[in-house]
Amino acid sequence: QKEVEQNSGPLSVPEGAIASLNCTYSDRGSQSFFWYRQYSGKSPELIMFIYSNGDKEDGRFTAQLNKASQYVSLLIRDSQPSDSATYLCAVTPFSGNTPLVFGKGTRLSVIA
Amino acid sequence: DTGVSQDPRHKITKRGQNVTFRCDPISEHNRLYWYRQTLGQGPEFLTYFQNEAQLEKSRLLSDRFSAERPKGSFSTLEIQRTEQGDSAMYLCASSPRGGGPNEQFFGPGTRLTVL
Repeated sequence: QKEVEQNSGPLSVPEGAIASLNCTYSDRGSQSFFWYRQYSGKSPELIMFIYSNGDKEDGRFTAQLNKASQYVSLLIRDSQPSDSATYLCAVTPFSGNTPLVFGKGTRLSVIA
Repeated sequence: DTGVSQDPRHKITKRGQNVTFRCDPISEHNRLYWYRQTLGQGPEFLTYFQNEAQLEKSRLLSDRFSAERPKGSFSTLEIQRTEQGDSAMYLCASSPRGGGPNEQFFGPGTRLTVL
């Protein structure tokens, strides 16, 4: 059973702080890792993906991957109230034609 | 709008009725996925297509569920004899061809309520 684990939160951070969201996965063969943002009542929106060990930066967002520890994280710098949402971690075992395995998501609340 | 579209956005039905949802993927995306999401959970995979071929079905997809993508463009998901446990958000996603990391882009979803 392939599993993706996330702390459900809520994670509360003050405006302007760094929010750190974490995810672990069970399938050591996993290759691609995705972070989605989901506002209440809306569908998931892709933020970024990573498939190599290390860091990948995109604007205020940084994804970090450690395959040896089976751990992926998302950092959000200069957090804004508009970042308040549920963040979903998703994993695929291979690149190409495979469905995503999602965690349950972490609810982030940015306090103004 | 060139994103994934889904219709209807909301559906309320009585137990035992049949319902059908439609998904139009991003143009030229050859892969199309259906997921189901309930409150407090992440999306769960149901089935996916590459062009018109249905390549994989989840164990969640009971024999009351059927999906088609007849011409490799839009897809339909039908639920027969609906049950209250089918109440959920049904999400469609598409991804482009190629051997890349398989970024999937989601439509707005169809929220099903079974009374």
